[in-house]
Amino acid sequence: QKEVEQNSGPLSVPEGAIASLNCTYSDRGSQSFFWYRQYSGKSPELIMFIYSNGDKEDGRFTAQLNKASQYVSLLIRDSQPSDSATYLCAVTTGTASKLTFGTGTRLQVTL
Amino acid sequence: DAGVIQSPRHEVTEMGQEVTLRCKPISGHDYLFWYRQTMMRGLELLIYFNNNVPIDDSGMPEDRFSAKMPNASFSTLKIQPSEPRDSAVYFCASSLWGVGAQETQYFGPGTRLLVL
Repeated sequence: QKEVEQNSGPLSVPEGAIASLNCTYSDRGSQSFFWYRQYSGKSPELIMFIYSNGDKEDGRFTAQLNKASQYVSLLIRDSQPSDSATYLCAVTTGTASKLTFGTGTRLQVTL
Repeated sequence: DAGVIQSPRHEVTEMGQEVTLRCKPISGHDYLFWYRQTMMRGLELLIYFNNNVPIDDSGMPEDRFSAKMPNASFSTLKIQPSEPRDSAVYFCASSLWGVGAQETQYFGPGTRLLVL
């Protein structure tokens, strides 16, 4: 079993809709959870982090964490074509300094 | 700040040759990470340093890979001899502290390596 799992997609949503990206992880000791966005040919950039159960909102983005279910999600409201990218879920494993990434979900926002 | 700097941006080499990738972290960052990204395996941590000392190299594929950080502003990842399966994008990232809450890693632009 992979440590961090994501559906590879592509996930296709129309402009203005809500995009929901999901991630599960295997290490119950994981403390911090991150969502990175990666445009094609570019490097990952941090969108949000979350470390407490519940929701965390930042503009159009909402991260949701459920440690009991080992599940973290990212909601993108009012999706824009510029949101089209691969979204990487990352989880701390082992020591707090180490991140394990999922393979990413490719999001396509259509006009 | 210029961000994390990597060189070269692209490298094409032949199997068996030595490859050296270079990274300059953001000034003041104590942690430096080397990742490899492929379509099949995604983004994998190879090794990371804290204050120039290697802390975890469990992700280094095999003895053909080695990494050094001689000072706080420079690190190298060396592959010798290179093989076609080493073809990937190699990212360097740095962070101020560890990856705890409210801390993130800043990625460089990556080096695209193609081994023929």
